[in-house]
Amino acid sequence: AQSVTQLDSQVPVFEEAPVELRCNYSSSVSVYLFWYVQYPNQGLQLLLKYLSGSTLVESINGFEAEFNKSQTSFHLRKPSVHISDTAEYFCAVSAGGTSYGKLTFGQGTILTVHP
Amino acid sequence: DAGVIQSPRHEVTEMGQEVTLRCKPISGHNSLFWYRQTMMRGLELLIYFNNNVPIDDSGMPEDRFSAKMPNASFSTLKIQPSEPRDSAVYFCASSLRSGGQETQYFGPGTRLLVL
Repeated sequence: AQSVTQLDSQVPVFEEAPVELRCNYSSSVSVYLFWYVQYPNQGLQLLLKYLSGSTLVESINGFEAEFNKSQTSFHLRKPSVHISDTAEYFCAVSAGGTSYGKLTFGQGTILTVHP
Repeated sequence: DAGVIQSPRHEVTEMGQEVTLRCKPISGHNSLFWYRQTMMRGLELLIYFNNNVPIDDSGMPEDRFSAKMPNASFSTLKIQPSEPRDSAVYFCASSLRSGGQETQYFGPGTRLLVL
């Protein structure tokens, strides 16, 4: 079985500052890793995902995440945040076997960007 | 393209009443997921279907909950009888199964309040 731990429940930052949202996972098999974002009163949207190949993946709005197998981490980073990045961010893992296609989500990190 | 459609968006009901939540997945997707989101428990997978067949219902809280997928374009989640602790946001998501790498696309959710 897989599990995901998001180490920070809330992260407040000022606009244009860098941010890192931490995610650690555990799994006995190879995994696929995802970051989803949820804006207030909306459903979740995919931000980026790691499937294979380059361990650094990027989104279209400046976020990036690096898969680190030895540390079982998939931290999300952005060098300069905007007010519009205020949202809740969820890290998720998917694996094969009996968990095929099933996402296990972390508890979420609320990112609040202050002016 | 239309995304995942859920109805109703909001539901207020009294304890003991039957509640039916509806979901129309993205056309062509063959996997469908029902999630529940609460402050206390975060995002929980209740059940998921592949090709209209329930694959994993281990997350369904108890017998009061049931889910059906009579065809590829429609699914329901029913709670009978409803209880105040069922108050939550219920999300439906769909995906095109492809080796565990698939992105799940979420609907806007149904916000349920049981009085």
